[in-house]
Amino acid sequence: AAGVIQSPRHLIKEKRETATLKCYPIPRHDTVYWYQQGPGQDPQFLISFYEKMQSDKGSIPDRFSAQQFSDYHSELNMSSLELGDSALYFCASSSLTLNTEAFFGQGTRLTVV
Amino acid sequence: LAKTTQPISMDSYEGQEVNITCSHNNIATNDYITWYQQFPSQGPRFIIQGYKTKVTNEVASLFIPADRKSSTLSLPRVSLSDTAVYYCLVRNAGNNRKLIWGLGTSLAVNP
Repeated sequence: AAGVIQSPRHLIKEKRETATLKCYPIPRHDTVYWYQQGPGQDPQFLISFYEKMQSDKGSIPDRFSAQQFSDYHSELNMSSLELGDSALYFCASSSLTLNTEAFFGQGTRLTVV
Repeated sequence: LAKTTQPISMDSYEGQEVNITCSHNNIATNDYITWYQQFPSQGPRFIIQGYKTKVTNEVASLFIPADRKSSTLSLPRVSLSDTAVYYCLVRNAGNNRKLIWGLGTSLAVNP
């Protein structure tokens, strides 16, 4: 079965650079979520989209933005990167219509140096 | 969204049954209880979900009392590969737009 695909799996950036993370949800899932997980920490909700519209916002810095495109893939754009942005970034998708649980991708490990 | 509380860590031995209890006192009528497993540097993996009474799948069982203010994840005969962090979440069926993650339970299975 198709799963949530994230790319890239690993990314190394320098401070003040920008980064773009991509997420391809499971087909026919209508909701996408982004999470940030620091070392030894629990996943922190950043933002979510329902049917391509932003639906909820969590602890997402103003330097970050996200969108969901017509093909339902989503991108998390991160600018003016800071050392503290180094973390695992997970994307998940679910279907509100089918009342499914959220399925997670394998994550993108971002390292800011 | 209902907040969850679960033990920070647990220790077990291979072959034992492990029960992890989660409290969710403010659970709402249309909330579901969902458990995830996470290995280091990997995405959380769905284990089991339930609304009330008992749910069982090939991996685990989930026990939910009538008042639904708590739930217990039961892992039968754990192995070393079950060493992971286990998260209990309450998911709103009518507004499945975000999941609030509490502090998971770090389970260590010893030989």
